[in-house]
Amino acid sequence: QVQLVQSGAEVKKPGASVKVSCKASGYTFTSYGINWVRQAPGQGLEWMGWISAYNGNTNYAQNLQDRVALTTDTSTTTAYLELRSLRSDDTAVYYCARDRYCSDTTCPPGGYWGQGTLVTVSS
Amino acid sequence: AIQMTQSPSSLSASVGDRVTITCRASQGIRGDLAWYQQKPGKAPKLLIYAASSLQTGVPSRFSGSGSGTDFIFTISSLQPEDFATYYCLQDYNYPLTFGGGTKVEIK
Repeated sequence: QVQLVQSGAEVKKPGASVKVSCKASGYTFTSYGINWVRQAPGQGLEWMGWISAYNGNTNYAQNLQDRVALTTDTSTTTAYLELRSLRSDDTAVYYCARDRYCSDTTCPPGGYWGQGTLVTVSS
Repeated sequence: AIQMTQSPSSLSASVGDRVTITCRASQGIRGDLAWYQQKPGKAPKLLIYAASSLQTGVPSRFSGSGSGTDFIFTISSLQPEDFATYYCLQDYNYPLTFGGGTKVEIK
């Protein structure tokens, strides 16, 4: 069965970086991409970006593109989210989600999500 | 970026009620809209994609309609397990954008 298992909670200081992993199993990793979505405490969902596991192509949210990097390791079927120059408002639960299919324009999140990783940014 | 305006932000309803949530896009997005359900402490769950297509395994009491800029999500008969927050997502172009969410609470 398809599973996405994320790395554990992190506590970081402002200005630091964090790298969250998303280990995929149960499907051909390179046949789908991975979206990343975050949710600040008590707030709504925010799409952060998407990466193709096939060729590494990416799309990022405009407000994050200077600080975020999405990568994949096909040998370990793992996707990574790195966020740099952390601020207190980056405190959130970060989710990875496999895309459901690609239209002619986008590859949106589908039915398979990780369990979420809480990243806390605090001095 | 396309703005998604979702309303209401919250509602109170009883088991058995018909519930309707709307989402309006700041520009036309064809039928490229999805609806997700999220329960506290859990990841979102895809319910509807392409505006009106029911995700496999999702009960038929959930439905969606609309095209262009205006979309409707309906629960025909609210069940106890449906109390949650619902989000629309436009997947017409990047960056993908979510609506602000609708919290469905017990009356």
